[in-house]
Amino acid sequence: DAGITQSPRYKITETGRQVTLMCHQTWSHSYMFWYRQDLGHGLRLIYYSAAADITDKGEVPDGYVVSRSKTENFPLTLESATRSQTSVYFCASSEDREQPQHFGDGTRLSIL
Amino acid sequence: EDQVTQSPEALRLQEGESSSLNCSYTVSGLRGLFWYRQDPGKGPEFLFTLYSAGEEKEKERLKATLTKKESFLHITAPKPEDSATYLCAVQSVPGSRLTFGEGTQLTVNP
Repeated sequence: DAGITQSPRYKITETGRQVTLMCHQTWSHSYMFWYRQDLGHGLRLIYYSAAADITDKGEVPDGYVVSRSKTENFPLTLESATRSQTSVYFCASSEDREQPQHFGDGTRLSIL
Repeated sequence: EDQVTQSPEALRLQEGESSSLNCSYTVSGLRGLFWYRQDPGKGPEFLFTLYSAGEEKEKERLKATLTKKESFLHITAPKPEDSATYLCAVQSVPGSRLTFGEGTQLTVNP
């Protein structure tokens, strides 16, 4: 089925380690987004991409790296994980910047 | 800076008891206001987009309305399966990013 899938669904890692969260969409949407969701803060934008090889910072980009070599994939990397990055991470995509964003089911990341 | 405030934080209703959720917003120029539903362990699911004051949209028991400062999500005769967290988000011109509120957690008891 077409849609947006995130992997892994759950991840436990240690501080200082590098971890990559994967996001894949089958709609050929131009725009892709990464959010984190925390109690007391709601959903906050980390990075977004308007097309392959075009990325831009969101509200909370520090400590994260993204790439988009193919339209369908938008991985998010934590280069040296910290406890403050423990969160639920959501990937989303939209056909263009005015269309609704459609979300994956998230990755629950715990950093010990 | 765009801001979104949702109220109440939590709402408990009996099945069939109609009510409204509020989303107050501040933006420099509104491109669109979005309502999402989020179930536990799932990502937000798109419900509605509203673009201008006076606009209304309906889907089953839900109706969303928009003024220049706030949006309401009216729930008519809710059922237990309407229990979820409802999120509101705004998108301002000229950008593409959404600013989300913290949501209203709705529980509908049978």
